[in-house]
Amino acid sequence: QSALTQPPSASGSPGQAVTISCTGTNSDIGGYNFVSWYQQHPGKAPKLMIYEVAKRPSGVPDRFSASKSGNTASLTVSGLQAEDEADYYCSSYAGSNIVIFGGGTKLTVL
Amino acid sequence: QVQLVESGGGVVQPGRSLRLSCAVSGITFSAHDMRWVRQAPGKGLECVAVISYDGSNKNYADSVKGRFTISRDNSKNTLYIQMNSLRPEDTAVYYCGKERGWFSDLAYAMDVWGQGTTVTVSS
Repeated sequence: QSALTQPPSASGSPGQAVTISCTGTNSDIGGYNFVSWYQQHPGKAPKLMIYEVAKRPSGVPDRFSASKSGNTASLTVSGLQAEDEADYYCSSYAGSNIVIFGGGTKLTVL
Repeated sequence: QVQLVESGGGVVQPGRSLRLSCAVSGITFSAHDMRWVRQAPGKGLECVAVISYDGSNKNYADSVKGRFTISRDNSKNTLYIQMNSLRPEDTAVYYCGKERGWFSDLAYAMDVWGQGTTVTVSS
């Protein structure tokens, strides 16, 4: 049950696009199409942004997109806005109904 | 609207026990798996326990296996976690989260979260 690997930080200017990676193994990301992404603002609960690799829940802007290749998943935020500044966590199914998370990436809007 | 409200957190000495509750409203509680996820101060997220919609299946992170027990009462729309033999490293905000999928059609994603309850293990 090792954590997924994310870069600790990412940044971009308003209007730009930024991509956050999430690396796992064949036993989690590479083995299942159950990758999710969460946004967390300081002091708040996480919010689901992406599920099943690339699906957006109702209400999530289409500026948020995601994909997976092999053992690595990616979240792209296009048209960066100030309110996108937050921590982002990836997660993946890892078997036996267990979900594991990445260490989180702090996104800064310059 | 959908609401998850955790309670039961507090300050407890190492080795003692605590039970957290998560009251759920606005959804068909008995149709969804539920998870407890914790976040240590300044750290990332860790899913510590999951229970199936009918309570028949339970799984735990290695870090809490044998010490924590997840349960649910579908007649009361409430999720619980009993935490025994608490350690300082269990100090965290504990969130309950609702599985997005219904019954056995799982997405392994939590689309509704509570506001969290803080557990501090310290002497």
